[in-house]
Amino acid sequence: AQSVSQHNHHVILSEAASLELGCNYSYGGSVNLFWYVQYPGQHLQLLLKYFSGDPLVKGIKGFEAEFIKSKFSFNLRKPSVQWSDTAEYFCAVTSSYNTDKLIFGTGTRLQVFP
Amino acid sequence: DTGVSQNPRHKITKRGQNVTFRCDPISEHNRLYWYRQTLGQGPEFLTYFQNEAQLEKSRLLSDRFSAERPKGSFSTLEIQRTEQGDSAMYLCAAGRTYEQYFGPGTRLTVT
Repeated sequence: AQSVSQHNHHVILSEAASLELGCNYSYGGSVNLFWYVQYPGQHLQLLLKYFSGDPLVKGIKGFEAEFIKSKFSFNLRKPSVQWSDTAEYFCAVTSSYNTDKLIFGTGTRLQVFP
Repeated sequence: DTGVSQNPRHKITKRGQNVTFRCDPISEHNRLYWYRQTLGQGPEFLTYFQNEAQLEKSRLLSDRFSAERPKGSFSTLEIQRTEQGDSAMYLCAAGRTYEQYFGPGTRLTVT
């Protein structure tokens, strides 16, 4: 069965620090990959997605993610975080044969201090 | 604003009671999804509809759970004979293939 692992459960950074959140998935076939963000008190929002093509994907608010097929990874990065990036971040995957069923990781809570 | 609204936002009920949640997406979204999220976990897929047809149900959706989407517009999720383990955030999402837009969720507390 498909699964998604996010090994960083809680990350604390100072503003301007660089961010990398890990995401690994287990599935042998083609996948579609997503990062969602949930700001405090708000609903889940799509940050970025990968379906095919360039493995480096750029999303909103300066975030990017790189798909490394050989490592089954889709890590999220941002060169310089802001206090407003404080949120919970979820990695998710769908398989190419079932594009409707999102499988989420357990999430990473990011706290950014000024 | 994703255009997906959910009501109620919070529901407290006693064990054994039935509850119903509603999700209203905007009209362009022919697919509608239900997920459940418990504390410290990511959302877990429950079921989804394409228009009014329910196309997939997770094993998580026991016989006490039922979802409908009459006329392919709004959807309801009913839980019968609630148990304490049903306490969770119930999320609705809507969209088209490859893109799901989430609503604010309904937080259910079973006492």
